[in-house]
Amino acid sequence: SAVISQKPSRDICQRGTSLTIQCQVDSQVTMMFWYRQQPGQSLTLIATANQGSEATYESGFVIDKFPISRPNLTFSTLTVSNMSPEDSSIYLCSAKDFSSNEQFFGPGTRLTVL
Amino acid sequence: AQSVTQLGSHVSVSEGALVLLRCNYSSSVPPYLFWYVQYPNQGLQLLLKYTSAATLVKGINGFEAEFKKSETSFHLTKPSAHMSDAAEYFCAVSGSNDYKLSFGAGTTVTVRA
Repeated sequence: SAVISQKPSRDICQRGTSLTIQCQVDSQVTMMFWYRQQPGQSLTLIATANQGSEATYESGFVIDKFPISRPNLTFSTLTVSNMSPEDSSIYLCSAKDFSSNEQFFGPGTRLTVL
Repeated sequence: AQSVTQLGSHVSVSEGALVLLRCNYSSSVPPYLFWYVQYPNQGLQLLLKYTSAATLVKGINGFEAEFKKSETSFHLTKPSAHMSDAAEYFCAVSGSNDYKLSFGAGTTVTVRA
């Protein structure tokens, strides 16, 4: 199974600023995903991070607000741009490895926007 | 498109009692189904998965789930609850090709001593 780490684990940011969240996997994986979990809510898929190409966004999420990079098979970043209090959520990275059908999740980044 | 519905946002059980969490799915393709657990202030941990093999799936921590195509259900059970089972439980579904997970709303389990 893949072990996933995220940085930062939490942050408090001012409205109008941007935050980049890093996701590191300890092995090469085929697919990486970013999810958002708003307070008291379930998880919603933001996008699939594609290695070497533009991410694939789900309905309601756009690249200008959530730019994503994936330069290689073990690393991805999610930026939350021009933040507002509505962006206060937990952001989770997940990965699917070559050998199984399951996704492994990182511990999440807890973001508070004031 | 795939989706899941979890019946009951909150379940309270006595220690030693049966835990039953309900999940119904909708999928236009053969689904992959998962149960995840989230402890307070932690990420998600996979409990078990169904990927078209055996319909009765055993997972970690004594949990199991049965895939019933006729009922489009994938309910999670544990015969005897332990205090450490108190957590949030999520049912999720994906297609067999894209692996994008759609999550249910979650069920919070509390265990009474």
